[in-house]
Amino acid sequence: EVQLVESGGGLVQPGGSLRLSCVASGFTFNNHWMNWVRRAPGKGLEWVAHISQDGNKKAYVDSVKGRFTISRDNDKNSLYLQMDSVRPEDTAVFYCAKYLGRGIDVWGQGTTVTVSS
Amino acid sequence: DIVMTQTPLFLSVTPGQSASMSCESSQSLVDTEGRTYLNWFLQKSGHSPQLLIQDVSRRFAGVPDRFSGRGSGTAFTLNISRVEAEDLGVYYCMQTTHVPFTFGPGTQVDIK
Repeated sequence: EVQLVESGGGLVQPGGSLRLSCVASGFTFNNHWMNWVRRAPGKGLEWVAHISQDGNKKAYVDSVKGRFTISRDNDKNSLYLQMDSVRPEDTAVFYCAKYLGRGIDVWGQGTTVTVSS
Repeated sequence: DIVMTQTPLFLSVTPGQSASMSCESSQSLVDTEGRTYLNWFLQKSGHSPQLLIQDVSRRFAGVPDRFSGRGSGTAFTLNISRVEAEDLGVYYCMQTTHVPFTFGPGTQVDIK
């Protein structure tokens, strides 16, 4: 079964850091670009970042550039999102997601990040 | 950045009837090789999003043929024929032609 399982969410103070992880199974992880997508409370979906199969190509939404870093470890079938200098507006459910072509065909269950003092 | 707009924002549908929703982009979603990357997702309450349509009109595996997508350039439509109770939720369009990729605000569908 193809599966993505996120972890690492929680409560963090403004200005703090958090590292999200996503473990993939059931498919050849290093064959696929991967994404992080978030949904803030009461709002819609927002694409956050993606990374190429070998980790050499990355892109981010403007609101997280310079604060968030996407990375992967293909030996561990794992995707990461390092979140630094977090802000209250980063409060959201974060989804790990896999590309199929340019569509996103597999989503994790999500991990909740709450930024609050 | 490409801005995606969806109309209507709310849609109430009777089971068995059809439903239609629109998605427009602020710029053309055709890339330099002539391909258009417009996707449709459904997010049911308490669940992760699920892919319905990719590349404007290609249904994802296992998606019923009641769902169809069409459009070109900047204007796209998702149609649902013979709506069923399980179709309720929020429908999002998403463009993956231009980075940063962007979603529309969503169309909330409820079943009468």
